[in-house]
Amino acid sequence: DAEITQSPRHKITETGRQVTLACHQTWNHNNMFWYRQDLGHGLRLIHYSYGVQDTNKGEVSDGYSVSRSNTEDLPLTLESAASSQTSVYFCASSESRLGTLYGYTFGSGTRLTVV
Amino acid sequence: RKEVEQDPGPFNVPEGATVAFNCTYSNSASQSFFWYRQDCRKEPKLLMSVYSSGNEDGRFTAQLNRASQYISLLIRDSKLSDSATYLCVVNHDRGSTLGRLYFGRGTQLTVWP
Repeated sequence: DAEITQSPRHKITETGRQVTLACHQTWNHNNMFWYRQDLGHGLRLIHYSYGVQDTNKGEVSDGYSVSRSNTEDLPLTLESAASSQTSVYFCASSESRLGTLYGYTFGSGTRLTVV
Repeated sequence: RKEVEQDPGPFNVPEGATVAFNCTYSNSASQSFFWYRQDCRKEPKLLMSVYSSGNEDGRFTAQLNRASQYISLLIRDSKLSDSATYLCVVNHDRGSTLGRLYFGRGTQLTVWP
């Protein structure tokens, strides 16, 4: 069955380190997204991609980067981890076709703690 | 003004009750509407899409009012398993079918025995 997987599920890292969170989907979806979720803020969009080699900044992109070299993967990199980036990170994918936008499918999330 | 606004609740209702959630959206050009459900410490999952004519899925009914720019979700005969946070979701890209959605902060529901 098609799925979207995130790894690791939990990560503890130190301030200043570079961290990469993986997202892999086998739905063959063109659209992929990274969100963070914090109490009091709901889901906030970090970066998104509409296809290979396409990346766009979301509302909270500072300190994060993504690259899209194939359809299946959109890794999220924290260039220099900060305590303010302690959060739960969700990856999602979706499809748009025939004039219809379909809902997102989310991964199970990565709980990141920066100490 | 936020793109999607919801009453955060919490709503605490007994089993068997009927409960309704509303949300408003700011962009009149929005094309697609959804309700998502999120359980504690889990990922959001699509509950149902919302169509212009309104739609029903078992105990759940979704309505869209384009003139007032609000969406509603009605849950009838609440079950303990309905306890979750319900997210109102809207696509705001004018005339576009590209996949960017905007999420409300969610309405928390607790159903008690």
